[in-house]
Amino acid sequence: DIQMTQSPSTLSASVGDRVTITCRASQSISYWLAWYQQKPGKAPKLLISKASTLESGVPSRFSGSGSGTEFTLTISSLQPDDFATYYCQQYNNYWTFGQGTQVEIK
Amino acid sequence: EVQLVESGGGLVQPGGSLRLSCAASEFTFSSYNMNWVRQAPGKGLEWVSYISSSSSTIYYADSVKGRFTISRDNAKNSLYLQMNSLRDEDTAVYYCASERGNDYSFQHWGQGTLVTVSS
Repeated sequence: DIQMTQSPSTLSASVGDRVTITCRASQSISYWLAWYQQKPGKAPKLLISKASTLESGVPSRFSGSGSGTEFTLTISSLQPDDFATYYCQQYNNYWTFGQGTQVEIK
Repeated sequence: EVQLVESGGGLVQPGGSLRLSCAASEFTFSSYNMNWVRQAPGKGLEWVSYISSSSSTIYYADSVKGRFTISRDNAKNSLYLQMNSLRDEDTAVYYCASERGNDYSFQHWGQGTLVTVSS
């Protein structure tokens, strides 16, 4: 089984900050990685697929990079609507989610 | 706009059964692979099961293999999850999710239905 490890688990930041979340896979997954945003009581929302492809309608301040085993999600300038929990997901071999990163207000 | 609406959740005793449904609308359901994902209270996301568009390929997470059965009815635009031998640890919000057309990420999600396993 492929394990996904996100860091940090919690991130405190202010509006306007540049934020980076890291996701590491236990073995190479090429670029088969997605990022999701989830707000309390809501379903997850797909932000990025194939490691760096922005989903239609997602603001350009979100970007993804990486391949193989190390990936990052970057929010270039954090907005009030971005405070949420973010999950990475590998889909190279079945599907596995990271444990999540909660982005909270500093 | 794509709509996925889950139903069938509720309170069930350990060892009991429950059948979840997911009704799809505003997209060509029969062309898309579908999944169930669950989230225990206060916890992260866990993939549960996958079914291909034609039902020819089915996968399960080890945690539910032999107890859960995924199925779909393309004529009814519906996805199902039959859950048997339920355990306390199956307590979660269950989401259905459709895959993107050109990869296996989960593009559209339902609002979820809560399953509580408790005596």
